[in-house]
Amino acid sequence: ETGVTQSPTHLIKTRGQQVTLRCSSQSGHNTVSWYQQALGQGPQFIFQYYREEENGRGNFPPRFSGLQFPNYSSELNVNALELDDSALYLCASSDRGPGTEAFFGQGTRLTVV
Amino acid sequence: QKEVEQNSGPLSVPEGAIASLNCTYSDRVSQSFFWYRQYSGKSPELIMSIYSNGDKEDGRFTAQLNKASQYVSLLIRDSQPSDSATYLCAVNDNFNKFYFGSGTKLNVKP
Repeated sequence: ETGVTQSPTHLIKTRGQQVTLRCSSQSGHNTVSWYQQALGQGPQFIFQYYREEENGRGNFPPRFSGLQFPNYSSELNVNALELDDSALYLCASSDRGPGTEAFFGQGTRLTVV
Repeated sequence: QKEVEQNSGPLSVPEGAIASLNCTYSDRVSQSFFWYRQYSGKSPELIMSIYSNGDKEDGRFTAQLNKASQYVSLLIRDSQPSDSATYLCAVNDNFNKFYFGSGTKLNVKP
């Protein structure tokens, strides 16, 4: 049990739609990162938030955006969904700041049809 | 493009043996290094973190870091069938970006 909870666990959306994925971390987890994991691949870093500010971003287009809230929850928004966005989306949080051990939630499986 | 390279495997070892998993990374200024275990259909689970050169031991697991060679490894002693999973190496750079390898699949045979 990592104390990191993601919702929903599974989701099916249509190409062109928008989606919001949510992550709830333990109190004090001031750093949250989001990842996309395609089948058979390692997680790809999307972005990181530290104390509610974006603190690092991977090679993802601007239609991937996020927010972190004062209650240690966060969300990932993806606009104009494409078929290639189908993947497992993971959030990971840490109470020690950027660059330190992070604990993953169970993930959201997104399927775009 | 920063790279984290792992042998995809599968690496097969008999129960009770030592499993050795290796990872190389391209960014010389990388600061922190992590090993995660991922069972099929599950999310990654943190095993070890290592920040400085040398060895770090935690139970049956030992992480080894050599920044000069840009190499990090994970040794699993007394391997158990329950250790069968994909092991992911992750590297954090100076810009708060994380890079994961594609993982090495480990099979521990009873």
